[in-house]
Amino acid sequence: DSGVTQTPKHLITATGQRVTLRCSPRSGDLSVYWYQQSLDQGLQFLIQYYNGEERAKGNILERFSAQQFPDLHSELNLSSLELGDSALYFCASRDHRGRPSFGPGTRLTVT
Amino acid sequence: TQLLEQSPQFLSIQEGENLTVYCNSSSVFSSLQWYRQEPGEGPVLLVTVVTGGEVKKLKRLTFQFGDARKDSSLHITAAQPGDTGLYLCAGVSGGGADGLTFGKGTHLIIQP
Repeated sequence: DSGVTQTPKHLITATGQRVTLRCSPRSGDLSVYWYQQSLDQGLQFLIQYYNGEERAKGNILERFSAQQFPDLHSELNLSSLELGDSALYFCASRDHRGRPSFGPGTRLTVT
Repeated sequence: TQLLEQSPQFLSIQEGENLTVYCNSSSVFSSLQWYRQEPGEGPVLLVTVVTGGEVKKLKRLTFQFGDARKDSSLHITAAQPGDTGLYLCAGVSGGGADGLTFGKGTHLIIQP
């Protein structure tokens, strides 16, 4: 058990829709990272939050947004969904020593 | 853009054989991490190498970081079916504030 929880585990939705993925970091970790994993692109960094504030951005589309709440859980919002957004979305947290822990992921299928 | 190339992309060998997988980049990273990922799960960190030329051993797994900190290798001795999985290398940029840069991984299958 990584200590990072993600919900839902699976999500099926239609093109044009909007979904929200949720992540709770490992207890005590202040950082949350979101990654997208697809067959052709591999694992790609999307965005990082630290203690409620955005810290770094990667290859995140403008249709995607995220936030981290005071209780440190984070949500990734994906809107105007396209078929190509179908992927596994992982959340990870890091402890004060920089040791990462990945959640089990949310598998998003856009039909 | 920093890129990590992993090779081979796929590898299927018999139990008991040795193997090496590679992770190469044209960029320098402050450190490099190796992960193992099983289907339906998130990546699990195996090791972090920090110093150029560093060698770390984890039971039958040996990890090496290149002298110039641009490449790394993972060697598995006497592979077992339990070693089957997707092996990912990830580069850590200076400061560690940014997200990891991952290679696309090596899909390893160890046949009994």
